[in-house]
Amino acid sequence: DAGVIQSPRHEVTEMGQEVTLRCKPISGHNSLFWYRQTMMRGLELLIYFNNNVPIDDSGMPEDRFSAKMPNASFSTLKIQPSEPRDSAVYFCASSLREQGVSGANVLTFGAGSRLTVL
Amino acid sequence: KQEVTQIPAALSVPEGENLVLNCSFTDSAIYNLQWFRQDPGKGLTSLLLIQSSQREQTSGRLNASLDKSSGRSTLYIAASQPGDSATYLCAVRRGDAGGTSYGKLTFGQGTILTVHP
Repeated sequence: DAGVIQSPRHEVTEMGQEVTLRCKPISGHNSLFWYRQTMMRGLELLIYFNNNVPIDDSGMPEDRFSAKMPNASFSTLKIQPSEPRDSAVYFCASSLREQGVSGANVLTFGAGSRLTVL
Repeated sequence: KQEVTQIPAALSVPEGENLVLNCSFTDSAIYNLQWFRQDPGKGLTSLLLIQSSQREQTSGRLNASLDKSSGRSTLYIAASQPGDSATYLCAVRRGDAGGTSYGKLTFGQGTILTVHP
């Protein structure tokens, strides 16, 4: 398996533009997480899905942020309109939510999408 | 609200030393605890996962312990090497009311480790 795949790896955009970050979780994983990492705040959970259903979106900063998971192999995180304070590295992670299964519940991260909003 | 604290924030040691990284959490109702490594500009790599019912896990030169009742975990690195230099993060996963792992992962701020030759 190629692991969790995120795109783009880097994005530079201007304030007010729409940004869409994409994630392909590990095949067979049923939980997907979006995290944001900054120097000031560390890693923050934005939202997570279980079986494609959003379970907890309390970490989503505001209405400018939205996330979707239309199927088990794809998720998007959208920021519209983007602002300079959204600049961060956005990580997607996935895991298999199962009890008693070897390797289950281990969170595997993608390489991240570094967003810079000018 | 779960809070995870890692001490020290940074650590610099000579090659060959054994070292301990500390992680504490405020809510002991966890499902599991996971240690990660992050290299500069890269994503996180899982090192060890300890289920709430376990006391420790070992992988090579790494040993992680968990004392759920006191809200503490340690990551022990034996015979450190320059290649161990990275940021080490611990994260706890909350269990849901049914005792399963719906719960989100809460991360500490990390310990920046530098092992110099």
